[in-house]
Amino acid sequence: DVKVTQSSRYLVKRTGEKVFLECVQDMDHENMFWYRQDPGLGLRLIYFSYDVKMKEKGDIPEGYSVSREKKERFSLILESASTNQTSMYLCASSLGQNFYEQYFGPGTRLTVT
Amino acid sequence: QQQVKQSPQSLIVQKGGISIINCAYENTAFDYFPWYQQFPGKGPALLIAIRPDVSEKKEGRFTISFNKSAKQFSLHIMDSQPGDSATYFCAASIGGATNKLIFGTGTLLAVQP
Repeated sequence: DVKVTQSSRYLVKRTGEKVFLECVQDMDHENMFWYRQDPGLGLRLIYFSYDVKMKEKGDIPEGYSVSREKKERFSLILESASTNQTSMYLCASSLGQNFYEQYFGPGTRLTVT
Repeated sequence: QQQVKQSPQSLIVQKGGISIINCAYENTAFDYFPWYQQFPGKGPALLIAIRPDVSEKKEGRFTISFNKSAKQFSLHIMDSQPGDSATYFCAASIGGATNKLIFGTGTLLAVQP
């Protein structure tokens, strides 16, 4: 089974802090994704990566950056956390050209106070 | 153009009934239409998917109906069970250079015993 793990289930940070969310997948997938999930808005794509050191902006990249130094690991960085970044963050991965079959981690519930 | 509109936002169905969730899209470049199921505390998981050249796909109690001319597709859950209670997301995939999944806003399904 594909396993996608995220470093924290719950995280509480203060406004202005730098926040790192880590994601690791164990199935040698080329593609990795970061989404945020908010009630009534569904899942919105923040960034994705289709190869090591490659990154592409999604639909809502403002206020975020990413890093992919190894194939299995994809990090989401909030340079200066703000209260409007309080959300559920979901990491996902997929194989090669198969972008529709994504495997998700359990999510990180981030609260910025 | 890249939105996927999903309805209803929430749905209550009696055990044994049929649950129906609808989605609509505008962009004819979408090339795959998956449905994801999310249980509380878990990440979404692929449930079933369909290509636009197929009008219907059935897997067990779950059926996708696809109407290409109307740009609509729907998920039908036959003989709904309390264990089907979850949030359901429709999505649409764009291949080629864009390579991403656009999600609907989600439907919270509650199946009452």
